[in-house]
Amino acid sequence: GENVEQHPSTLSVQEGDSAVIKCTYSDSASNYFPWYKQELGKGPQLIIDIRSNVGEKKDQRIAVTLNKTAKHFSLHITETQPEDSAVYFCAATISGGSYIPTFGRGTSLIVHP
Amino acid sequence: DAGVTQSPTHLIKTRGQHVTLRCSPISGHKSVSWYQQVLGQGPQFIFQYYEKEERGRGNFPDRFSARQFPNYSSELNVNALLLGDSALYLCASSLSTDTQYFGPGTRLTVL
Repeated sequence: GENVEQHPSTLSVQEGDSAVIKCTYSDSASNYFPWYKQELGKGPQLIIDIRSNVGEKKDQRIAVTLNKTAKHFSLHITETQPEDSAVYFCAATISGGSYIPTFGRGTSLIVHP
Repeated sequence: DAGVTQSPTHLIKTRGQHVTLRCSPISGHKSVSWYQQVLGQGPQFIFQYYEKEERGRGNFPDRFSARQFPNYSSELNVNALLLGDSALYLCASSLSTDTQYFGPGTRLTVL
């Protein structure tokens, strides 16, 4: 089955810095890669996703890149703010058909004011 | 528009008991998925239902079962509870099967 590795487990940055979280996946058939933000006591919130026919996607301060050859994808957050502090999860799955997403173990992002 | 709703918010059970968790998807969404999230880990996929049929099943024992109703709401049932079943149970809804929106979860504690 699919295996998703996520690094780092903890990331501490100063407000205004950039943050990068990286994930690798094992199943070359995976073609849909969402990223979620989970705040304490809440369910995960979809923040951005990318499909395998696209190499990069941006949404304001957030961007995701995908390298299908190397089987890795990354989340980039620019101009970090204290409210970006949360746990971030990547996931990989095959879109359509039998849907069994595999999540990474999460990255705790701490943005210091 | 209301998001995904789950009930109850919290519950405490003892080993061997049975539990039923409920989920209402976003209006118009026909697919519901269930996940188990243990503290410090990512969500683990349990089931997905689309149009009332099971579309995917994760690596969980037969003590876990689910169903989807004609109004697309869903129930997750867990029999013969074990201490290791203590977790946050998340429900997610989607229009089709991939882009998912999560509810706030039900915190289950098994004593």
